[in-house]
Amino acid sequence: AQSVTQLDSQVPVFEEAPVELRCNYSSSVSVYLFWYVQYPNQGLQLLLKYLSGSTLVKGINGFEAEFNKSQTSFHLRKPSVHISDTAEYFCAVSAVQAGTALIFGKGTTLSVSS
Amino acid sequence: DTEVTQTPKHLVMGMTNKKSLKCEQHMGHRAMYWYKQKAKKPPELMFVYSYEKLSINESVPSRFSPECPNSSLLNLHLHALQPEDSALYLCASSLGLAEGEQFFGPGTRLTVL
Repeated sequence: AQSVTQLDSQVPVFEEAPVELRCNYSSSVSVYLFWYVQYPNQGLQLLLKYLSGSTLVKGINGFEAEFNKSQTSFHLRKPSVHISDTAEYFCAVSAVQAGTALIFGKGTTLSVSS
Repeated sequence: DTEVTQTPKHLVMGMTNKKSLKCEQHMGHRAMYWYKQKAKKPPELMFVYSYEKLSINESVPSRFSPECPNSSLLNLHLHALQPEDSALYLCASSLGLAEGEQFFGPGTRLTVL
């Protein structure tokens, strides 16, 4: 079985500062990894995904994440955040070829202030 | 068309009512999902349909009844709900069940009085 741990439940940051949202996973098989963002009263939007290949993944809105197999991590980064990045961020994992649905972390609330 | 649509956006119902939530996608995806999300929590998987057949049922109470009339549509029929069922109900779809990337709809905000 897979599990996901998002190490920070809340991350407050000032506008134009860099940010890192941490995600660790556990799995005995190969996995796909995802970051989703949820703005207030909306559904989830895919930010980026790691399926295979390059371990540095670039997503939408200037976000990127690095897959580190040895540390079983998939941390999300942005060099300079905006007020509009304030949202809930979910890390998720699914087993490759297992035909199972996503396992979500508990989420990290990113609050960007001026 | 790369979106998942859900209707209605908001729904208020009494505990004796019967209502339905609807979800539609036209991306040719063959797997569709229902999730329940409480405030400040991650989505919880309820049901998964693969090729219009129920593939996963996460021990959801029978007052929730899913239906997949065709590959583009997914319904969730609601009957005799409880106030604790109030939540955001999200629909999602993916290319196939083994294809991890899911596309989510905007959700239906359900309030049970």
